[in-house]
Amino acid sequence: AQSVTQLGSHVSVSEGALVLLRCNYSSSVPPYLFWYVQYPNQGLQLLLKYTSAATLVKGINGFEAEFKKSETSFHLTKPSAHMSDAAEYFCALTGANNLFFGTGTRLTVIP
Amino acid sequence: DTGVSQDPRHKITKRGQNVTFRCDPISEHNRLYWYRQTLGQGPEFLTYFQNEAQLEKSRLLSDRFSAERPKGSFSTLEIQRTEQGDSAMYLCASSLNTLTGGTYGYTFGSGTRLTVV
Repeated sequence: AQSVTQLGSHVSVSEGALVLLRCNYSSSVPPYLFWYVQYPNQGLQLLLKYTSAATLVKGINGFEAEFKKSETSFHLTKPSAHMSDAAEYFCALTGANNLFFGTGTRLTVIP
Repeated sequence: DTGVSQDPRHKITKRGQNVTFRCDPISEHNRLYWYRQTLGQGPEFLTYFQNEAQLEKSRLLSDRFSAERPKGSFSTLEIQRTEQGDSAMYLCASSLNTLTGGTYGYTFGSGTRLTVV
């Protein structure tokens, strides 16, 4: 069965500090993994995706994620947080015909 | 192409009324999905279409929920006899599914926020 666990429903960082949002997955088949960002009252915007090529994936807005099979993890990072990064972030995993989402992590950036 | 469009953006309805939402996917995409997102949760899969065929609908929340994609282009999601628990964001997404390459590029719309009063 496929599932995604996001550790930490809320993360606060200072502007300019490292952002680390955690995602662990469970999958019976090699997974495709995604990170999406959602701003208030908006839909989901794709940040990056892992589709079994390079394990370090670079996305938009300076975000990147590393697929670690041994740890079943796909954590999202950004070296320096910006105020505009404040949003809800969702990790997702492909199922047979849809995406399974985690419960999300709300990122707050403190000036 | 302007992406996935959803209409309306917001809908307020009285309990017991029927509502219908529309989704226009990216034109090259053959798959269309509906998700529901409640406050503080991730999106929850409801149903999907490959072209005009509805291939999965067991996740629809009750028989009050139905979806159509009559010509394989736009889709509608209808909720009959709405209840307060139906209040949520309803998201539509589309993707291109190939026989050999799997599914790529889930693109989401901005959603329709339903409030049942």
